[in-house]
Amino acid sequence: GENVEQHPSTLSVQEGDSAVIKCTYSDSASNYFPWYKQELGKGPQLIIDIRSNVGEKKDQRIAVTLNKTAKHFSLHITETQPEDSAVYFCAALLPGTYKYIFGTGTRLKVLA
Amino acid sequence: KAGVTQTPRYLIKTRGQQVTLSCSPISGHRSVSWYQQTPGQGLQFLFEYFSETQRNKGNFPGRFSGRQFSNSRSEMNVSTLELGDSALYLCASSLGHPNTEAFFGQGTRLTVV
Repeated sequence: GENVEQHPSTLSVQEGDSAVIKCTYSDSASNYFPWYKQELGKGPQLIIDIRSNVGEKKDQRIAVTLNKTAKHFSLHITETQPEDSAVYFCAALLPGTYKYIFGTGTRLKVLA
Repeated sequence: KAGVTQTPRYLIKTRGQQVTLSCSPISGHRSVSWYQQTPGQGLQFLFEYFSETQRNKGNFPGRFSGRQFSNSRSEMNVSTLELGDSALYLCASSLGHPNTEAFFGQGTRLTVV
């Protein structure tokens, strides 16, 4: 069935370093991939998304890349700051539906 | 522009009871989806409504049900609560067209004792 694998489950980086989170999806027909940031006690916040007609999208310190052939997409955060500490989820929209399949989440800790 | 509003924020119920959660989407959004979030299972899709019609349903038992009103507000109901229903229930709002962004509310934390 449909599945999204996310790695790593935890990631610790020094402030100012880069962080990369990777996801792999199973349904090759998926064509919309959002990333969410969830802070403690809050709902997931959409931070960036990518559609299958582009390979990369950037928004300030955050970028997402998509490799449709390999069914991989990744989140890149540069110049990390303590406020980037949170749980990050990738997701893929199941084709023909309005159902998102989520990865298992990555807990990012940015050490000051 | 107001975000997605979920009420109540916290709820404690006893096994066997039923509960109703509410979600008001972003103004102009006609699609509301519901997700259950637990430490063990992560984010699991419950169902999605658009213009008062359920378009998609996840793999949850019939105890979980929902509806959407003409103003796009949505409710979900869980009957005969079980301890395993304890979770954060999240509502997501979107325009409802393919590949458009979905925005989540803060969630309702349900604890079943």
